[in-house]
Amino acid sequence: QVQLQQSGPGLVKPSQTLSLTCVISGDSVSSNSVAWNWIRQSPSRGLEWLGRTYYRSKWLNDYAVSVKSRMTVNPDTSKNQFSLQLNSVTPEDTAVYFCARGWSGGFDIWGQGTMVTVSS
Amino acid sequence: EIVLTQSPGTLSLSPGERATLSCRASQSVSSLAWYQQKPGQAPRLLIHGASSRATVIPDRFSGSGSGTDFTLTISRLEPEDFAVYYCQQYGSSPKFSFGQGTKLEIK
Repeated sequence: QVQLQQSGPGLVKPSQTLSLTCVISGDSVSSNSVAWNWIRQSPSRGLEWLGRTYYRSKWLNDYAVSVKSRMTVNPDTSKNQFSLQLNSVTPEDTAVYFCARGWSGGFDIWGQGTMVTVSS
Repeated sequence: EIVLTQSPGTLSLSPGERATLSCRASQSVSSLAWYQQKPGQAPRLLIHGASSRATVIPDRFSGSGSGTDFTLTISRLEPEDFAVYYCQQYGSSPKFSFGQGTKLEIK
């Protein structure tokens, strides 16, 4: 079955870059029928979709307006994984971050979640 | 920007009772999904396309609605159904957005 395994640091200093990786098993990051997403959850902002990467004859990305200027989602076909980079973080970026497989019907497979705290 | 508003914020019921959760969109949405989340876990997809159950979801869960008004119904509550439920829309700006959640608690 499809599984997503997240990894990355749980503590990031303000103004630095938050980096997370999501390894895919049982599916391909190059699938042309799904997309690979990052979603976060915090008490103040609830569940918030951040961005995605997907392959439709070429690689495409979408980002939420709130993070578009400082976020990158990249696929890595050699390792069948995708990553999140969020630059210039502030304490407001403190949240549980999830990776998730998405299609037109919703997000059907989720990673286990990573609690990321932004603090000096 | 589409905003999803869920009601009630908290619903207190007993096992065996029927639960009705509401999700209202500020504008018409093309696709709506429902999720269940338990403490310390990721959300689990229950319903997609407003009324289609996801894989291995029990038939006591059902979804209905269109346009701006949607409902998740749990016909007979089991002890494992007490959790937080979220609705989520796809397609309009923002591309994906979630409601604030309804907490279903044991009475």
